[in-house]
Amino acid sequence: GDSVTQMEGPVTLSEEAFLTINCTYTATGYPSLFWYVQYPGEGLQLLLKATKADDKGSNKGFEATYRKETTSFHLEKGSVQVSDSAVYFCALTDNDYKLSFGAGTTVTVRA
Amino acid sequence: DAGVTQSPTHLIKTRGQQVTLRCSPKSGHDTVSWYQQALGQGPQFIFQYYEEEERQRGNFPDRFSGHQFPNYSSELNVNALLLGDSALYLCASSNGGGYYEQYFGPGTRLTVT
Repeated sequence: GDSVTQMEGPVTLSEEAFLTINCTYTATGYPSLFWYVQYPGEGLQLLLKATKADDKGSNKGFEATYRKETTSFHLEKGSVQVSDSAVYFCALTDNDYKLSFGAGTTVTVRA
Repeated sequence: DAGVTQSPTHLIKTRGQQVTLRCSPKSGHDTVSWYQQALGQGPQFIFQYYEEEERQRGNFPDRFSGHQFPNYSSELNVNALLLGDSALYLCASSNGGGYYEQYFGPGTRLTVT
């Protein structure tokens, strides 16, 4: 079945550091890929998405590129802020009704 | 524009009891999906409701059931609660029975003692 594997956390960074969270997937078809973010005490928010190979999703300074050859969708941000501290989830849907999520990566940014 | 709302926020139940969680979708949405998020894990899909019918179901036992009302709101019912049912239950809404742009509510934290 479909599955998502993400880099284990927690990740602790200083402000303005570069952030990368690795995500790889297994799917039988041609999935759409997502990154969701969960801030403390809040629900999941869609951060960015990509629906086909080589698409780049971007939002709030975050980027991720859909790499079919390596089945990856790594999340990057060039300069993190304290406000980026959250749990990040990589997810996919294989043209189905459900989202399949990774285990999540906790990111803490120190001032 | 109201987002997805869920009630209650927190709930404590005893093993063997039954619980009902509620969800109101984002304005304009007609599809509701439910997910279970255990501590330290990613959300797991329970089921999706569209046009008042269960459209797809994840790997959850029949103790988990749901309902969708004509106004598109939804309930999740869990019978014969087990300790392992303790989790954050998330509701997500979308439009047209699809999977794109699922908007999540803040969740209901269920603790089973």
